[in-house]
Amino acid sequence: QVHLVQSGAEVKKPGASVKVSCWTSGYSFTTYYIHWVRQAPGQGLEWMGRINPDNGATNIAQNFLGRVIMTRDTSNSTAYLELPSPKSDDTAVYYCARLWGWTVSGSSDIRDFWGQGTALTVSS
Amino acid sequence: ETMVTQSPATLSLSPGQTATLSCRASQDIGTTLAWYQQKPGQAPRLLMFYASNRATGVPARFSGGGSGTDFSLTISSLEPEDSAVYYCQQRKRWPDTFGQGTRLEIK
Repeated sequence: QVHLVQSGAEVKKPGASVKVSCWTSGYSFTTYYIHWVRQAPGQGLEWMGRINPDNGATNIAQNFLGRVIMTRDTSNSTAYLELPSPKSDDTAVYYCARLWGWTVSGSSDIRDFWGQGTALTVSS
Repeated sequence: ETMVTQSPATLSLSPGQTATLSCRASQDIGTTLAWYQQKPGQAPRLLMFYASNRATGVPARFSGGGSGTDFSLTISSLEPEDSAVYYCQQRKRWPDTFGQGTRLEIK
């Protein structure tokens, strides 16, 4: 059974680095992209980017370039999202997800799995 | 970036009625579109992929259609548990984009 389990809620001051973890299990970690999606309070879903767990390559949306770092550790099937210098408007719930569509090798995949979300509050 | 626009913003209906939600992409995305349901405090749940394919476990009351730039999600025989925010998502053109959501209220 596929599971994505995220680390707990965080409260940070502006400029204080934060790293969110996404532990995966139940499938081959290096076969499927891990995506990160943000949801600000009362707002919609915003795709941030993805990481290829096989080689570590990332594709990050323009809005988040230079503001987030996506990494992974294949030894424990975990993906990470780091915000090196968050601002108050980074207050949001951050989701990791294995989205429907395709694997890292381009094969079709119609299944879709999400973590439970990690709430980040950035406040002075 | 491919913009995805949903309408209406809010829909209020009664149990047993039929809801029709719309999603329009700013450019041709074929059928590479999904619909998600999100309830308060929960992660999004995939309902439809490639516009018209129901995800595992999704009731047949949910159906999707469309191609190119115009898409729809229809929910028939509405139940109180269908109250949620529904998002469409395009995955044809980088970056992935979501619509702003339609809030469905069942009263």
